[in-house]
Amino acid sequence: EVKLQQSGDELVRPGASVKISCKASGYTFTNYAMYWVKQSPGQGLEWIGTIIPLIDTTSYNQKFKGKATLTADKSSNTAYMELSRLTSEDSAVYYCARKMWDYFDYWGQGVMVTVSS
Amino acid sequence: DIQMTQSPASLSASLGETVSIECLASEGISNSLAWYQQKPGKSPQLLIYGASSLQDGVPSRFSGSGSGTQYSLKISGMQPEDEGVYYCQQGYKYPFTFGSGTKLEIK
Repeated sequence: EVKLQQSGDELVRPGASVKISCKASGYTFTNYAMYWVKQSPGQGLEWIGTIIPLIDTTSYNQKFKGKATLTADKSSNTAYMELSRLTSEDSAVYYCARKMWDYFDYWGQGVMVTVSS
Repeated sequence: DIQMTQSPASLSASLGETVSIECLASEGISNSLAWYQQKPGKSPQLLIYGASSLQDGVPSRFSGSGSGTQYSLKISGMQPEDEGVYYCQQGYKYPFTFGSGTKLEIK
């Protein structure tokens, strides 16, 4: 069974950083790209960036360059996203999603990041 | 980026009613279109890919159609568990983009 297990919800201070994990199981981790998606409160879905674990290649939505950094650990089948210099605008739910051709067939359960002092 | 415009933004339907949700792309996307359902507090779930292919395990009352820039999702016989927000997503060009969502409720 394919599963993407994300880390727990985070409460972080403004200006701090947070690192979210997405552990994949039930498939060959390096065979699929992993997308990261932001969902702001009551809002739609926004692409942050993509990582191809096999070759450690990343691409980012221009809006999130400098904000998000994607990495992957092939030894533990885990993808990571670090968000830096957090502000209230970064408070949202963040999902990892497995890319299958031109759509996303499996999603993590989401991590709620709350930025507050 | 390709813009995806969904309509309506919200609708309510009676049990057993047939419902349609539309998605308009800002340029042709060659059937590279997926539909997702999201329930409160949950992640999106894939319903349809390739504009009309039903994902495994999804009830057959869901169907997708369309071509070019216009696509639609149909639910033939609304059920209580179909309440949620529905999103379309284009996979034709990077970055993949989503519609703004359609909130579907039981009347």
